[in-house]
Amino acid sequence: QSVMTQPPSVSGAPGQRVTISCTGSGSNIGAGYDVNWYQQVPGTAPQLLIYGNTNRPSGVPDRFSGSKSATSASLAITGLQAEDEADYYCQSYDSGLSGFVFGTGTRVTVL
Amino acid sequence: QVQLVQSGAEVKKPGASVRVSCKPSGYSFTDYSIHWVRQAPGQGLEWVGWINPNSGGTNYAQKFQGRVTMTRDTSINTAYMELSRLTSDDTAVYYCARILFYYDTGSDALDIWGQGTLVTVSS
Repeated sequence: QSVMTQPPSVSGAPGQRVTISCTGSGSNIGAGYDVNWYQQVPGTAPQLLIYGNTNRPSGVPDRFSGSKSATSASLAITGLQAEDEADYYCQSYDSGLSGFVFGTGTRVTVL
Repeated sequence: QVQLVQSGAEVKKPGASVRVSCKPSGYSFTDYSIHWVRQAPGQGLEWVGWINPNSGGTNYAQKFQGRVTMTRDTSINTAYMELSRLTSDDTAVYYCARILFYYDTGSDALDIWGQGTLVTVSS
């Protein structure tokens, strides 16, 4: 059972903006630990999308953006494209568990 | 090209052990820690632990302590994850991933992932 909660699914039409929330607690996001986001196309390995709450690795389109506040974080996708259909996971560190934790994951569907 | 190449799929009986290997290429093996993450069929990602290939130091998720062992062989630049006393709940794809420290933000993230190794536990 994950300690960081995400909505199971979000959807949007091509070109629209969608957001994915990641709700943590005082032992992970709320304790100041950074949040990373990963994209996983079904059947493939996850890929790093956002690191350090808001930063995109080289090659990631600027349609993807991250934010963090208090005990939660969010990933926004603007100008939604068909290729964005995938599962998205947040990840942070939890001091209570003394290790990495992943969010429950969100499936993004492009209508 | 930086990549992590994992060993092939495994089928094990309940109670047995499995060892999965992860061989990096395109960078110095001992410069970056390796994390292991698993994903049961249709489920989310679950962190298993990490190993520092330079020192051999490890840190395991509480859930797996006592059952997982991570090792490395620096002579062949390969990291290993062994899981013992397998049950059907351990059926999953196991990924290794490199942890990269970003100096600009002081944060770290799993930037390179292996292709995954399917471990099936079945009688």
